[in-house]
Amino acid sequence: QAQLVESGGGVVQPGRSLRLSCAVSGYSFSSYGMHWVRQAPGKGLEWVALIWFDGSDKYYADSVKGRFTISRDNSKNTLFLQMNNLRAEDTAVYYCARRPSVVTPLPDYWGRGTLVTVSS
Amino acid sequence: DIQMTQSPSSLSASVGDRVTITCRASQGIRNDLGWYQQKPGKAPKRLIYAASSLQSGVPSRFSGSGSGTEFTLTISSLQPEDFATYYCLQHNAYPYTFGQGTNLEIK
Repeated sequence: QAQLVESGGGVVQPGRSLRLSCAVSGYSFSSYGMHWVRQAPGKGLEWVALIWFDGSDKYYADSVKGRFTISRDNSKNTLFLQMNNLRAEDTAVYYCARRPSVVTPLPDYWGRGTLVTVSS
Repeated sequence: DIQMTQSPSSLSASVGDRVTITCRASQGIRNDLGWYQQKPGKAPKRLIYAASSLQSGVPSRFSGSGSGTEFTLTISSLQPEDFATYYCLQHNAYPYTFGQGTNLEIK
């Protein structure tokens, strides 16, 4: 059974940095790409970033490009999201999710999310 | 970026009703679209992928159709557990983009 557990959320001041982690178990982490998706309080879903199974390709939403970096450590079955220069509008629950395949890339397994609050 | 316009934004319906939710893409996306269900405080759940393929384990009352720029999610006979928020998501081009969501409420 796939399990994805996010951590690292919390309250941070505008302009500061935070790194989220997503620990994966129950499937071969190194064989699958991974997504980050976020949801601001009371709002809809926003796709944030995608990383290839081997880390060779990465893609970002316009709203985070240049500030956020997605990465992974396949030896530790862990996905990361480094978030720099945080803004109030980055306040959201951040979910990690698996990319099933190149043909069907939309997220299938999801974590429960971790809340990031950007506030002074 | 591809814009996904989802309608309606909210919908009231009764158990047993047939409901349809629509997503329109700002440009053609072939069938590179999926549908998700989200309940309060929970992660989204994938219902449909490739516009019309039913995710394993999802009841057959859910169906998806469409190609190009217009897509629909249909629930043939609403059940109490179906009241939730539904989102479309395109993966034809980066960045991937969600529709704004449809909040399906009990009438």
